[in-house]
Amino acid sequence: EIVLTQSPGTLSLSPGERATLSCRASQSLTNNYLAWYQQKVGQAPRLLIYGASSRATAVPDRFSGSGSGTDFTLSISRLEPEDFAVYYCQQYGSSPGGTFGQGTKVEIK
Amino acid sequence: EVQLLESGGGLVQPGGSLRLSCAVSGFPLRNHAMSWVRQAPGKGLEWVSVIGPGGGATYYADSVKGRFTISRDNSKNTLFLQMNSLRAEDTAVYYCTKAMGDINYVIFAFDIWGQGTMVTVSS
Repeated sequence: EIVLTQSPGTLSLSPGERATLSCRASQSLTNNYLAWYQQKVGQAPRLLIYGASSRATAVPDRFSGSGSGTDFTLSISRLEPEDFAVYYCQQYGSSPGGTFGQGTKVEIK
Repeated sequence: EVQLLESGGGLVQPGGSLRLSCAVSGFPLRNHAMSWVRQAPGKGLEWVSVIGPGGGATYYADSVKGRFTISRDNSKNTLFLQMNSLRAEDTAVYYCTKAMGDINYVIFAFDIWGQGTMVTVSS
């Protein structure tokens, strides 16, 4: 089973700053099958990025994904108040459904 | 409007059973693979099960294999999860999700999520 390790566990930033979140896989991901989700308190997750770098429908362009192989990054260019949330990565190439990382919390500094 | 609406959660004793339902609206269920993802209180996301568009292909996480059964009724636009032999560690919010892609090419990233239904396994 592919294990995803997200870092840091918590990121404390101010609105307007840039956020950089990391997701590292224990094995190289097939076809860069890596997704990112945002989850706000009390809400269901929302798909942001799939295929490592493709934005999902209606996702603002301040969100971008990059990386390949085992190392992937989610960047938020300028944090808006509504971006403070928990972010999960998911690999979906090794098996249907795949596995999720443990999450990174982006909190207001 | 695209919507997934789960129901059927609740409190059940260890060893008991529950059947979750997910009513789909706004898109033809028959064209898409569907999945259940759960989240234990204060924890991260865990994929549980997925079913192909026609219902013939099903897959399960090792943690639920042999106890849970996923199914679908495309004529009623409804997805199900039958959960038997429930354990305390099955306590979680269960989300119904839609996989991206279509009947010809499934992408197992989940672009539509329901609001979730809480399952509590406790005596």
